[in-house]
Amino acid sequence: AQSVAQPEDQVNVAEGNPLTVKCTYSVSGNPYLFWYVQYPNRGLQFLLKYITGDNLVKGSYGFEAEFNKSQTSFHLKKPSALVSDSALYFCAVRDLTGFQKLVFGTGTRLLVSP
Amino acid sequence: SQTIHQWPATLVQPVGSPLSLECTVEGTSNPNLYWYRQAAGRGLQLLFYSVGIGQISSEVPQNLSASRPQDRQFILSSKKLLLSDSGFYLCAWSVQAGVSYEQYFGPGTRLTVT
Repeated sequence: AQSVAQPEDQVNVAEGNPLTVKCTYSVSGNPYLFWYVQYPNRGLQFLLKYITGDNLVKGSYGFEAEFNKSQTSFHLKKPSALVSDSALYFCAVRDLTGFQKLVFGTGTRLLVSP
Repeated sequence: SQTIHQWPATLVQPVGSPLSLECTVEGTSNPNLYWYRQAAGRGLQLLFYSVGIGQISSEVPQNLSASRPQDRQFILSSKKLLLSDSGFYLCAWSVQAGVSYEQYFGPGTRLTVT
């Protein structure tokens, strides 16, 4: 079965510093991977996706993610964190069980301090 | 452009009362539709999904039901609410037979069962 793991419940970073939110995946075929962000009491917003091609994917709000097949990882990164980046981040992978479903990770809370 | 609406935004209901949450999508036709529940501001649980009018698949047996009376309308219902039904309910849509599977989420409904 397809799955993703987000090993950190919370990541703390100072404003202006680079940030990384980790995600590892387990799939039986080619992975389709996604990152979403959720602000308090809001729905999830799509940030970026990896389907095929360049391992470095650029998305919204200055975020990017690096697909690493050998390490089965898809970490979310940003060169310079903003306080407004503080939110809950979800990694997801396409479910291959016959319908267009996504399997979500448990989420990582990012806290950017001023 | 496509937009997704959910209402109400918040709801407080007593145990044993009925429930009806509505989701509508604009700007697309024949979308896949999904209902998720998010408990304690964390992980997402897929409750139902639909590929077309009247076609509902349930992921988890529970006190809830879903219906799709129109192409872009998805309703989540219950005849008698339980305390455990409290949570943040999210509706999402994706392109039917899309290539990459990303889903787009509505703003959510916060349900508190008292």
